[in-house]
Amino acid sequence: GQQVMQIPQYQHVQEGEDFTTYCNSSTTLSNIQWYKQRPGGHPVFLIQLVKSGEVKKQKRLTFQFGEAKKNSSLHITATQTTDVGTYFCAGPGAGGTSYGKLTFGQGTILTVHP
Amino acid sequence: GAVVSQHPSRVICKSGTSVKIECRSLDFQATTMFWYRQFPKQSLMLMATSNEGSKATYEQGVEKDKFLINHASLTLSTLTVTSAHPEDSSFYICSATYGGNEQFFGPGTRLTVL
Repeated sequence: GQQVMQIPQYQHVQEGEDFTTYCNSSTTLSNIQWYKQRPGGHPVFLIQLVKSGEVKKQKRLTFQFGEAKKNSSLHITATQTTDVGTYFCAGPGAGGTSYGKLTFGQGTILTVHP
Repeated sequence: GAVVSQHPSRVICKSGTSVKIECRSLDFQATTMFWYRQFPKQSLMLMATSNEGSKATYEQGVEKDKFLINHASLTLSTLTVTSAHPEDSSFYICSATYGGNEQFFGPGTRLTVL
């Protein structure tokens, strides 16, 4: 079945440094979503990318969808302690988008040292 | 908007007992609800997809007789862990969607089986 691979698994940065997490799929994705889960919390939707080569920004966060729609990245500029958490990418699961299922990447756990 | 609640948030039970977890969409009607299991510092593992009025669709390897799902209305789905054992201890999270790809997650239920 479809797999969504995400790296790195862990990332420790000093506050103010940049951070990037990468997501790769074995198959072409119709869309990709990103979620953030704070420690002890639940995943919260950040964004969805649909178009090939799409780039979207949310303040210090930049999301990219590859031209082949098989990879995506999330980049955070000048991290802050509030950025701490696990970032997941997610692609449509088996059964197609009509079922709404998602296949989550392994997640990247971001730690920001003040 | 798009708030999902889960109850209870935490439960401790003895081995052999059954535990029911409720997932409610508070301000929207959910076409589909999903149940996930998450181990510490790991990704979300989809257990089943639940649609109102129909049988849940379970992912491969998930025992349907062990994890009973009932989707009684467009705002309520329940997961019952039957005859729970220590290996069932985990963080169970539900999510709901109302037609789009975005999923709205509940706060999760931490189950500890003694």
